[in-house]
Amino acid sequence: GAGVSQSPSNKVTEKGKDVELRCDPISGHTALYWYRQSLGQGLEFLIYFQGNSAPDKSGLPSDRFSAERTGGSVSTLTIQRTQQEDSAVYLCASNQGFQETQYFGPGTRLLVL
Amino acid sequence: GDSVTQMEGPVTLSEEACLTINCTYTATGYPSLFWYVQYPGEGLQLLLKATKADDKGSNKGFEATYRKETTSFHLEKGSVQVSDSAVYFCALRGAGGTSYGKLTFGQGTILTVHP
Repeated sequence: GAGVSQSPSNKVTEKGKDVELRCDPISGHTALYWYRQSLGQGLEFLIYFQGNSAPDKSGLPSDRFSAERTGGSVSTLTIQRTQQEDSAVYLCASNQGFQETQYFGPGTRLLVL
Repeated sequence: GDSVTQMEGPVTLSEEACLTINCTYTATGYPSLFWYVQYPGEGLQLLLKATKADDKGSNKGFEATYRKETTSFHLEKGSVQVSDSAVYFCALRGAGGTSYGKLTFGQGTILTVHP
């Protein structure tokens, strides 16, 4: 069956621009997570969705970062006024409940020039 | 808060050598423990897991045992292959409360296996 998909796979943007990253979880998965993988910080949790609500946003690094999820399915991570330190691979994962195995998408590689 | 300390790499081995990648953790309660693997050009994949003390996770010849007394979950393989070359991440999932199932990862260990 289809796995977690993310788009775009690569994104190059200029400092100060806004970007939107999309995640399509596995069908039927109610829980969705965003993580960031960067050279300096390793793999970090950003935000967790259960359905359309986000009970844990503790990993979002600044108020430039926001995320939403609609219809209990697709999620969008938005970074406003991008900075060079935002350059990283943004990973999305989903599962059927927070005690189940998380399945990861291929990631979006973001480069801020 | 929860944390995972993972043996730093890179690790370079010859084919058929033994592998151990150390992983220790700090967490309250009884977390679940995982090893994820990232092959070149691919996404993160679950390699194995253990959800309670003394459980042994195993897959593809890799094993790891959940040791509560030493708060460790070391990854082992008796005979590595070139195809095992990848980045390995140790991770834990909190026991509940406000953890909401988020994973806390170690820094990753790059493994290169030469023929």
